[in-house]
Parts: sequence; C-alpha cells; structure tokens
Amino acid sequence: SQELEQSPQSLIVQEGKNLTINCTSSKTLYGLYWYKQKYGEGLIFLMMLQKGGEEKSHEKITAKLDEKKQQSSLHITASQPSHAGIYLCGAARNLIQGAQKLVFGQGTRLTINP
Amino acid sequence: GAGVSQTPSNKVTEKGKYVELRCDPISGHTALYWYRQSLGQGPEFLIYFQGTGAADDSGLPNDRFFAVRPEGSVSTLKIQRTERGDSAVYLCASSYGAGKNEQFFGPGTRLTVL
Repeated sequence: SQELEQSPQSLIVQEGKNLTINCTSSKTLYGLYWYKQKYGEGLIFLMMLQKGGEEKSHEKITAKLDEKKQQSSLHITASQPSHAGIYLCGAARNLIQGAQKLVFGQGTRLTINP
Repeated sequence: GAGVSQTPSNKVTEKGKYVELRCDPISGHTALYWYRQSLGQGPEFLIYFQGTGAADDSGLPNDRFFAVRPEGSVSTLKIQRTERGDSAVYLCASSYGAGKNEQFFGPGTRLTVL
C-alpha cells in the first residue's frame, strides 16, 4: 500500500463548483506539499504546510493540515477550467545532512466541465 | 530567471542501450534531486545531491542507474542496459538548500524503452 493515499483518484466537476481533494499519510506528517501537474509539464508548487492546524490560501485554493489525523485537504472554490490537472500531495521525509525528499501520493486527476 | 531545464524532453531507445538524461538546476541551488514518475503514479525519489556529492542514493532501483554532478550544477542521470520497465518520466528538482525548502521541478524527460 502507498505511504500517501489521495482521494478521489479522479474527479469531474462542473465549472463554478467547489471541490475537495484529500491526502492521508500512514506515517507522521512533518511537512506536506501540494503540487499541480499538467501533461508534459513539471510539477508546479502550490503550497507547503508545516504545522498542525495550518491553513494556507492562494487565490481560490485553500490547503489545511491536520497533524493528528495525518491528513491534508485541498479545497478549490468556484472551480475554473484553469484548475484542471493532476494534483499531487508530497510528504517531506528526512534524508541525511538535514535534507528532505518528497514522498508523493498517486495523484488526483481533476477535470472541469464547462 | 530560468527554471529547471531537462534535456532531452523525449528519449526513445531500445532495450539494452545506454542513455543519459541531463538536468540544469536553477542557478545558485545547491540541492538537486532526481525522481521517476511511472504512468498514473506520483514521482518516486531516486537520488539527492548536495553540491557535487551524492548525499543519498537510496532510491536508485539497481546498479544500472548512476548519477553525477561533477561541478555542483548540471547533473546527468545515466542508465545502463535499459529495460522496458525503465520507461517513465524522469524529473529533476532543485532547491536553494537542504531542509525545508521548496523543490522546483523541471518538465521531465519521457523515456521510452522499446
């Protein structure tokens, strides 16, 4: 099983609707990153959450971290076609020399219908 | 400034051949990471460089995979005796330093082994 599970794996919503993507970790979360990916492109950084209860917003996207539940959620308000893509959550895991690698979920594919 | 660049964008090779994938990190970024993303999955960590040295190569799947970063900037991922299972998108990321820093991803190299 995956260390990070995202749900749903695929989501189709009508333009203008709200939606939520969840990310659950089987291990303690010390830092959680959200990225967006479009086909043929690299990952675009959205937000980084580091403290339990932390919530960050950027434009119409809000992310929250619940350390106790080892979960994070990404919420999009009034979705637009530009929000379509694959959303990936990544948990920070320590490497040597203070570095961190990212362990990713399998991604959530978001489609916005006009 | 320029982001992380990767060349080639696509590489098709035959089973058993040797390939090199190149990554140009953002200028001034000392930390460099390689990840591999299979179809429908999130990226998986391969190797991390701090400066010129491979600080952690625990994600490399076997000894056919090797990476270098001789001058602490450009990195090359080398795959010997390629197998069909090596087909994936290889992503490079860089960050300003180790630790809790955002990793900036390149567009990736799509490797297809026939």
